[in-house]
Amino acid sequence: DIQMTQSPSSVSASVGDRVTITCRASQGISRWLAWYQQKPGKAPNLLIYVASSLQSGVPSRFSGSGSGTDFTLTISSLQPEDFATYYCQQANSFPLTFGGGTKVEIK
Amino acid sequence: EVQLVESGGGLVQPGGSLRLSCAASGFTFSSYAMSWVRQAPGKGLEWVSATSGSGISTYYADSVKGRFTISRDNSKNTLFLQMNSLRAEDTAVYFCAKGRDSGSQPYDAFHIWGQGTMVSVSS
Repeated sequence: DIQMTQSPSSVSASVGDRVTITCRASQGISRWLAWYQQKPGKAPNLLIYVASSLQSGVPSRFSGSGSGTDFTLTISSLQPEDFATYYCQQANSFPLTFGGGTKVEIK
Repeated sequence: EVQLVESGGGLVQPGGSLRLSCAASGFTFSSYAMSWVRQAPGKGLEWVSATSGSGISTYYADSVKGRFTISRDNSKNTLFLQMNSLRAEDTAVYFCAKGRDSGSQPYDAFHIWGQGTMVSVSS
């Protein structure tokens, strides 16, 4: 199985900050990576697919990059509604696996 | 509007069974792969199972293989998860999720999610 490791597990940031979250796969997954945002008590929301494609309706301050084993989600200017937990997920092979999550908290 | 609505969750004793349903609307259900993803209280997301649009292909996490069965009724736009031999560690909110792409990459991301249904396994 492919293990997905996210870092950091939590980050404190202020509105307007640039935030970067990384995700590392235990083996190469080409660009088969998705990113999700989840707020408490809600279902996850797809942000990015195939490493860098922005899902329709998602603000352009979100961007994704990477290939192989190392990936990054960047929020260019953090907004109040962005405080949430973010998950990466590999779609290269079954079983599909998620990272452990990164909680973005208010500083 | 694309919508997924789960039902069937509840409290069950260890070793018991439960069948979850996910009613889909607003899209051509048979064209999309569907998955179940769960989240234990206070924990992260765990993919459980997936099925192709036709229902012919099915996939499972090792943690549920042999105990859970995914199926779908495309005539009723409904996805199911039959859960047998339930354990305490199966306690979680179970989400159904629609694949993003109806074409060559049906499993590349989970596009639409239901609100989830809670399954509690306890004596």
